[in-house]
Amino acid sequence: EDQVTQSPEALRLQEGESSSLNCSYTVSGLRGLFWYRQDPGKGPEFLFTLYSAGEEKEKERLKATLTKKESFLHITAPKPEDSATYLCAVQYQGGSEKLVFGKGTKLTVNP
Amino acid sequence: GAVVSQHPSRVICKSGTSVKIECRSLDFQATTMFWYRQFPKKSLMLMATSNEGSKATYEQGVEKDKFLINHASLTLSTLTVTSAHPEDSSFYICSARDWGTEAFFGQGTRLTVV
Repeated sequence: EDQVTQSPEALRLQEGESSSLNCSYTVSGLRGLFWYRQDPGKGPEFLFTLYSAGEEKEKERLKATLTKKESFLHITAPKPEDSATYLCAVQYQGGSEKLVFGKGTKLTVNP
Repeated sequence: GAVVSQHPSRVICKSGTSVKIECRSLDFQATTMFWYRQFPKKSLMLMATSNEGSKATYEQGVEKDKFLINHASLTLSTLTVTSAHPEDSSFYICSARDWGTEAFFGQGTRLTVV
């Protein structure tokens, strides 16, 4: 059973069409939830870390939120340059320092 | 954010040879480095965790004799794929972190074994 599940697997938006990506997790004792952006053929680029339910963080058109079971990455008025795969990862108690990743959501924003 | 440099970005090698991939933290001390392997449309799969000056901790199913990891300094870790075979072809990514910080990733290395 996957510990981190991201949905949808792929999402196509028109420029300016806001939406949300979901990351649900089943680990207990969450130490941190991380969002990364990955462009094709590149390593992941750090976006946010969330530590506790109710926490929110924003960066330009992106806002990440966290509940006890899931996180959302809200994209407001996206632009074509926001097209990428967005990865969610969790770090949990008993899991040492490692990050457990979801499979990602591939976002395509059409002009 | 912090910069992690991974080299080379692409490498093609012959079956049976060994390949070394370097991962450097350029502007911070990386007390811990991680090596991942990524398959198309799959999650990043953690291969091993290494702390500076210590032996790497490998994940279950990862052959430590095949994937040699060295973390000899606070800014450099290397992954050597020994006796590479076509099934080792993949995208390898390193990440590095200091105590209490987020992990930052290198650019990745596309390995093709022919």
